[in-house]
Amino acid sequence: QKEVEQNSGPLSVPEGAIASLNCTYSDRGSQSFFWYRQYSGKSPELIMFIYSNGDKEDGRFTAQLNKASQYVSLLIRDSQPSDSATYLCAVMAGGYQKVTFGIGTKLQVIP
Amino acid sequence: DTAVSQTPKYLVTQMGNDKSIKCEQNLGHDTMYWYKQDSKKFLKIMFSYNNKELIINETVPNRFSPKSPDKAHLNLHINSLELGDSAVYFCASRGPGEKLFFGSGTQLSVL
Repeated sequence: QKEVEQNSGPLSVPEGAIASLNCTYSDRGSQSFFWYRQYSGKSPELIMFIYSNGDKEDGRFTAQLNKASQYVSLLIRDSQPSDSATYLCAVMAGGYQKVTFGIGTKLQVIP
Repeated sequence: DTAVSQTPKYLVTQMGNDKSIKCEQNLGHDTMYWYKQDSKKFLKIMFSYNNKELIINETVPNRFSPKSPDKAHLNLHINSLELGDSAVYFCASRGPGEKLFFGSGTQLSVL
């Protein structure tokens, strides 16, 4: 079983719609959860982080965490073509705080 | 001022050669990482150093040797390069809230 699982996509949504990206993780001791965005040919950049169960909102982005189900999600409201990128779910666990990434979901926002 | 800088950005070399990639961060962070992103875009952790001490060493061939002369620098030396080493190598440092700050990456092509 992969440590962090994501559907690689592509996920296509029309402009203005809500994009929903999902991630599951295997280590129940995981402490911190992140969403990174990576444009083609660029390095990953952090867009959201969440540590506690529930929702966390930042502008058009909402991260959701359910530790019982070992599930993290990212919602992007009012999707824009500039949101087209690969979204990487990352999980931190262990005494040395190892950060493990999922394979990423490619999002395409269609104008 | 670039927070995490890697050199070189591109590295093209023949099989069997030895090469190095350098990374420097000016953020004052204690922990730095090397990640490898393969052709399928999977970002896999290789090594992590905390204040010059190796704390994470994933299953990586011993042809790869990281070195951290001080906490602001983490270099990666690769001996006897193989075709399968072709990938993008990212350096990252870990800041407050366990967030990772990535360098721009080094595209390694082994011919």
